[in-house]
Amino acid sequence: AQSVTQLDSHVSVSEGTPVLLRCNYSSSYSPSLFWYVQHPNKGLQLLLKYTSAATLVKGINGFEAEFKKSETSFHLTKPSAHMSDAAEYFCVVSDPYSGAGSYQLTFGKGTKLSVIP
Amino acid sequence: ETGVTQTPRHLVMGMTNKKSLKCEQHLGHNAMYWYKQSAKKPLELMFVYSLEERVENNSVPSRFSPECPNSSHLFLHLHTLQPEDSALYLCASSQVRQGYNEQFFGPGTRLTVL
Repeated sequence: AQSVTQLDSHVSVSEGTPVLLRCNYSSSYSPSLFWYVQHPNKGLQLLLKYTSAATLVKGINGFEAEFKKSETSFHLTKPSAHMSDAAEYFCVVSDPYSGAGSYQLTFGKGTKLSVIP
Repeated sequence: ETGVTQTPRHLVMGMTNKKSLKCEQHLGHNAMYWYKQSAKKPLELMFVYSLEERVENNSVPSRFSPECPNSSHLFLHLHTLQPEDSALYLCASSQVRQGYNEQFFGPGTRLTVL
């Protein structure tokens, strides 16, 4: 079975400092991995995705994530936080061979990012 | 309209009311989904439709009834809901192919049950 663990429920950074949101996954096969962002009262927007190509994935708004198979991690980073980055971030795994079928995505519980001026 | 749209954006209803949520996708995708997002709980998948056939129903109470008349439209019919059903209901769509399922989400309907 597949699972996702977001290691921090809340992260607080100062504007202009680096962001690190941690995600570990469990999957029986080489999965697809995603990071989504949700601003208050909005839907989920795709930030970036890993699909077994390059292990360092660049996304929108300066975010990137590195797939590390040996560590089963897919941490999200950004060199310099902006006030507009304050939102909730979800790490998501898609593994069609997990028994859940091609349709099932497994979501982490989310990490709320606060950015201090 | 582009992407995935949902109406209404906000809905307040009593426990005896009947209402419907609407979702429309303009992406030509072959699968559509309903999710429930409650405070302090992970996103819960409720229903999946692929090519207008329901392929997933994750033990959702019968007071929630989905309908998918065509590949672009998805409805969630609501009847005799409970206050604990208050949540953000998100619709998503994707073009599912072997080994890959990137989902595109709508803005959600914020539902309050009194």
